[in-house]
Amino acid sequence: GAGVSQSPRYKVAKRGQDVALRCDPISGHVSLFWYQQALGQGPEFLTYFQNEAQLDKSGLPSDRFFAERPEGSVSTLKIQRTQQEDSAVYLCASTGHHYEQYFGPGTRLTVT
Amino acid sequence: SQQGEEDPQALSIQEGENATMNCSYKTSINNLQWYRQNSGRGLVHLILIRSNEREKHSGRLRVTLDTSKKSSSLLITASRAADTASYFCATDALTGTASKLTFGTGTRLQVTL
Repeated sequence: GAGVSQSPRYKVAKRGQDVALRCDPISGHVSLFWYQQALGQGPEFLTYFQNEAQLDKSGLPSDRFFAERPEGSVSTLKIQRTQQEDSAVYLCASTGHHYEQYFGPGTRLTVT
Repeated sequence: SQQGEEDPQALSIQEGENATMNCSYKTSINNLQWYRQNSGRGLVHLILIRSNEREKHSGRLRVTLDTSKKSSSLLITASRAADTASYFCATDALTGTASKLTFGTGTRLQVTL
């Protein structure tokens, strides 16, 4: 079966632009996570959805970051007025009823 | 913020040798997991060890956990060139009905022929 997919794989944005990153989780997975991975670092938690409910957004670095999952499947991470420090790989992961998380390939965002 | 640190940051070995990576973390955990990340790819789950377990095996992987020292190690035996990747430990904290992961800084493993 298909794994977690993310699009686009690469995004270059000029500082100040808005971007939207998409995640298609594994079908039937209730839980969806977003992580941010800076170069040479481990991923850092951003936010978590259980179905359509955003239960934890404690990792979002600023109010410029917004995530949604309106129908409990596809999720979008939106970054408004991008800054250079937003440059990173954004990873999406989904899980069913186990602790193991299935990660997508990530979206590499470069803000110039 | 990162939960823990991994040691070494980088490791270079020859094919057939064993590779050992260590992970230290800061707070109490439910489980500890190890993930592998190939360059430019997402993470792949390798193995999970529960807080009440001390050792676990899966194929060529052996994981130990010492909760008193807040540390874990991952041993890869008889390494292969295909094992070249970054390896991360991750601890979890319950949020809702799932567990959000807090990753270490990673060990970059290079296996040469």
